[in-house]
Amino acid sequence: EPEVTQTPSHQVTQMGQEVILRCVPISNHLYFYWYRQILGQKVEFLVSFYNNEISEKSEIFDDQFSVERPDGSNFTLKIRSTKLEDSAMYFCASSPSGGPYEQYFGPGTRLTVT
Amino acid sequence: AQSVTQLDSQVPVFEEAPVELRCNYSSSVSVYLFWYVQYPNQGLQLLLKYLSGSTLVKGINGFEAEFNKSQTSFHLRKPSVHISDTAEYFCAVSPLSEKLVFGKGTKLTVNP
Repeated sequence: EPEVTQTPSHQVTQMGQEVILRCVPISNHLYFYWYRQILGQKVEFLVSFYNNEISEKSEIFDDQFSVERPDGSNFTLKIRSTKLEDSAMYFCASSPSGGPYEQYFGPGTRLTVT
Repeated sequence: AQSVTQLDSQVPVFEEAPVELRCNYSSSVSVYLFWYVQYPNQGLQLLLKYLSGSTLVKGINGFEAEFNKSQTSFHLRKPSVHISDTAEYFCAVSPLSEKLVFGKGTKLTVNP
């Protein structure tokens, strides 16, 4: 069964460094998403992406964040200058049809900022 | 804005017992409702969803949920749980947009 994959599973970085979290969505999906979950808190929507454009973003998704689909298979989340409060589990998701109906999630990348 | 409350952070039950995981939401607009499950070291997997129609929704692995508009609830139930149901369960709503708004999750532990 096809699945969303994410690398790395755990990333440790120092405050102020740039990080790129990588995701490989399911191959025939066209809509892509990032969510995050700070330890002990709710899973929060960050951004949705379709046709090489951001289609929706939350107030969390400020200028420090960017997303890109650099080739036909990867979908990345970049954090330019990490802060301690960026420490969280980051989930990538993809969907064949858009909307909330059928989002398939990856296992997550745990980001630890020290 | 929408919010989701899962009242129980942890629910321990014995194998073959029934279970109900509670979910309440608030929204000023119509929403779609979802339950996701996360097994250890895996991604969130869709259990079931309510978009419209019958308020009783059946999902995978024998789970079902009932949408109650007057009580703004979407509780998840299973009549007889197995050890393999041990996981974290997330209730989510969507305000008819791209995003899902999640609750904090409920850790279900099924004991032998």
